[in-house]
Amino acid sequence: GESVGLHLPTLSVQEGDNSIINCAYSNSASDYFIWYKQESGKGPQFIIDIRSNMDKRQGQRVTVLLNKTVKHLSLQIAATQPGDSAVYFCAESLPGGGYQKVTFGTGTKLQVIP
Amino acid sequence: NAGVTQTPKFQVLKTGQSMTLQCAQDMNHNSMYWYRQDPGMGLRLIYYSASEGTTDKGEVPNGYNVSRLNKREFSLRLESAAPSQTSVYFCASSMTDATDTQYFGPGTRLTVL
Repeated sequence: GESVGLHLPTLSVQEGDNSIINCAYSNSASDYFIWYKQESGKGPQFIIDIRSNMDKRQGQRVTVLLNKTVKHLSLQIAATQPGDSAVYFCAESLPGGGYQKVTFGTGTKLQVIP
Repeated sequence: NAGVTQTPKFQVLKTGQSMTLQCAQDMNHNSMYWYRQDPGMGLRLIYYSASEGTTDKGEVPNGYNVSRLNKREFSLRLESAAPSQTSVYFCASSMTDATDTQYFGPGTRLTVL
């Protein structure tokens, strides 16, 4: 899951297995959530998003689940591939679309074992 | 379509030196952002620009200035670099505001000695 410490939590997954990356968000008023993927030496890349009026959203090989009761977000990656190795982090946004209202998590490192 | 480009990729400065980080986007986006990313911390917003000609402070603006030169370009200037500004800097852009999908550049790794 997410960490606010200096060391990123690491998830090691066998190639072909499913991965689940967790995120605990901080503000119960947040109404928009985004997952980013960041490969080594590159900028963050948008993966999938979800609004608070939904509890599940699916993309290509990825699914985001939102549990507002416990302020928890998860990213599921199906049939994990070596190219999925990266740091994944979530972001939350407060209502109103304010520019300063997006808070980014610190991330989880996903290692795919061939 | 290059997306968001940043220059330089790497830079080493001595304390007190100045430099400007350049950012450009070719997606006709209205909003642009500068973030810094430090180990163990999430991206933190330094400055943003909601539209051409406007700029506003983010979470950590001290020690930085910005210029939205035109719709495409948004530069970040360090007037007198300090070791605390050692970080990786990312520029991003979005069509509307920060809750719209943000597209990030490849980053500039800055070391201040």
